[in-house]
Amino acid sequence: SQTIHQWPATLVQPVGSPLSLECTVEGTSNPNLYWYRQAAGRGLQLLFYSVGIGQISSEVPQNLSASRPQDRQFILSSKKLLLSDSGFYLCACKIVGELFFGEGSRLTVL
Amino acid sequence: GESVGLHLPTLSVQEGDNSIINCAYSNSASDYFIWYKQESGKGPQFIIDIRSNMDKRQGQRVTVLLNKTVKHLSLQIAATQPGDSAVYFCAENLIYSSASKIIFGSGTRLSIRP
Repeated sequence: SQTIHQWPATLVQPVGSPLSLECTVEGTSNPNLYWYRQAAGRGLQLLFYSVGIGQISSEVPQNLSASRPQDRQFILSSKKLLLSDSGFYLCACKIVGELFFGEGSRLTVL
Repeated sequence: GESVGLHLPTLSVQEGDNSIINCAYSNSASDYFIWYKQESGKGPQFIIDIRSNMDKRQGQRVTVLLNKTVKHLSLQIAATQPGDSAVYFCAENLIYSSASKIIFGSGTRLSIRP
């Protein structure tokens, strides 16, 4: 069965600093991968999705970017964090229509 | 559509009663709908899904109803238990071009009264 690893689990960063969140998937090949963000007490917002290596689609304009350097690796980045980037970031993998989530990375920007 | 900026509504249910959680979706092109349960500090977990060519599907203690006419989805939980306390999200699978993406609707926080 598939497993989704996310790291770091928790991160506290100052405004203006860079960001790199990693997600790797095991147990499947050529998955559709997704990054979602969830602000405290709110719903899930789709940020990016990828159907293959090097293929990234962005859902919302912002200072975040995503990359997929390998089939089962999905990275979320920022060059300069904003306070509004704080939230719970979830990587997800879609297999046969079902979306499986990682345990999330909680980012606090101070 | 997405309501990610709104505070989650809350549904309070007596333990043992049935819970009904509602969701409205916006896109007629969605072919597949899913309910997720999210416990505090964790990622969402799949509960049950339904294809757009169905109007009802049952699982263990859960039933999903789909009304395409009014673009409405509901999740019914029978004999609600304390372990059912969580935030519940509906999601729609939106097909376009050569890809599909899953868009989450507004969540509902379910709390159980003893």
